[in-house]
Amino acid sequence: QVQLVQSGAEVKKPGASVKVSCKASGYTFTGDYIHWVRQAPGQGLEWMGWINPHSGSTNYAQKFQGRVTMTRDTSISTAYVELFSLRSDDTAVYYCARRGMHLVVDSWGQGTLVTVSS
Amino acid sequence: DIQMTQSPSTLSASVGDRVTITCRASQSISSWLAWYQQKPGKAPKLLIYKASSLESGVPSSFSGSGSGTEFTLTISSLQPDDFATYYCQQYNSFPWTFGQGTKVEI
Repeated sequence: QVQLVQSGAEVKKPGASVKVSCKASGYTFTGDYIHWVRQAPGQGLEWMGWINPHSGSTNYAQKFQGRVTMTRDTSISTAYVELFSLRSDDTAVYYCARRGMHLVVDSWGQGTLVTVSS
Repeated sequence: DIQMTQSPSTLSASVGDRVTITCRASQSISSWLAWYQQKPGKAPKLLIYKASSLESGVPSSFSGSGSGTEFTLTISSLQPDDFATYYCQQYNSFPWTFGQGTKVEI
């Protein structure tokens, strides 16, 4: 079955960067886009962007343009999101999710809590 | 960006109740709408895609309807496991956007 396993929680200082990984299994990694969505504590869901694991092409939400990079390593079926110049309002759970055959994300990672605090 | 507005924000209900959640888009999204269920500390779970198609393994007590700008999620008979927060999401165009969520509580 499809599984997305994310890296563990991170604590970062303002101005630092963080890189979260998402290891895929149970399907052909290069066959489906990976999306990243975040959720601040007690808040709703916010879409950040996607990466095409086959080509490496990306599409970022304008809000994160210039501050986010999504990459992948096909040899280990892993996608990454890196967020730079962290602020306190970047404190959130970051999820990776696979876009499946119905063009909607149908499988999610367990989430990675990133805490930004001085 | 397309704004998604859900109502109500909170819904108090009892086991066995019929529950309806509404989602409105700021412009037409055809049928490119999904519904997710999220429980505390867990990732969202896909319930409905393309406005009315039931995801595999999801109970038939869940149903979705609508097109254009108005959509509804209905739970025909609320079960204890259904108490959660529900989000609509448009995937008609980027950036994908979510509603603010509807918490279904006792």
